[in-house]
Amino acid sequence: GNSVTQMEGPVTLSEEAFLTINCTYTATGYPSLFWYVQYPGEGLQLLLKATKADDKGSNKGFEATYRKETTSFHLEKGSVQVSDSAVYFCALWNSGNTPLVFGKGTRLSVIA
Amino acid sequence: GAGVSQSPSNKVTEKGKDVELRCDPISGHTALYWYRQSLGQGLEFLIYFQGNSAPDKSGLPSDRFSAERTGGSVSTLTIQRTQQEDSAVYLCASSGSGRHTDTQYFGPGTRLTVL
Repeated sequence: GNSVTQMEGPVTLSEEAFLTINCTYTATGYPSLFWYVQYPGEGLQLLLKATKADDKGSNKGFEATYRKETTSFHLEKGSVQVSDSAVYFCALWNSGNTPLVFGKGTRLSVIA
Repeated sequence: GAGVSQSPSNKVTEKGKDVELRCDPISGHTALYWYRQSLGQGLEFLIYFQGNSAPDKSGLPSDRFSAERTGGSVSTLTIQRTQQEDSAVYLCASSGSGRHTDTQYFGPGTRLTVL
């Protein structure tokens, strides 16, 4: 079946540090991949997505590249800010009428 | 415009009681999802409504769980005879069309605690 595995948190970084949150997936075919973010006290919101291999999604300084050869969609940011503190969810959609499959989420805390 | 709203924001109930959770999607959105977020777990899909089609109930964990969507807008998730393992945050999301790849807009959730 389809599944998403994220690195376990929490991740604590100092401001301006480099961020990587690993995400790997299991799926047949060519799924679409997503990163959602949940800021404290708010609902999840789409951060970025990629729909085919080698695509790079980007938004708010975050990037993730769809790597089919490693079945990965790692989230990166070159210089994190305190305001990036949130829970990040990797998700995939495969073919047909199946809903999104979400990972367990990774909590990021950025300290000044 | 207004986003997805959910009520109540918090609900504490006793084991065995029934609870109703409400979701108001973004106006005009045809698709509506319910998820459950348990401590240390990811988002668990529960049920999906799309327009007037029969809902996809494949994620409901037991027959104590049910949901309806009236008039293609507001949705209510009902949990009967609540158990302690039902304690979780229940999230609602809506999207503009029936495609699962469309951006989903989430509400803030209802935190349910079953004592």
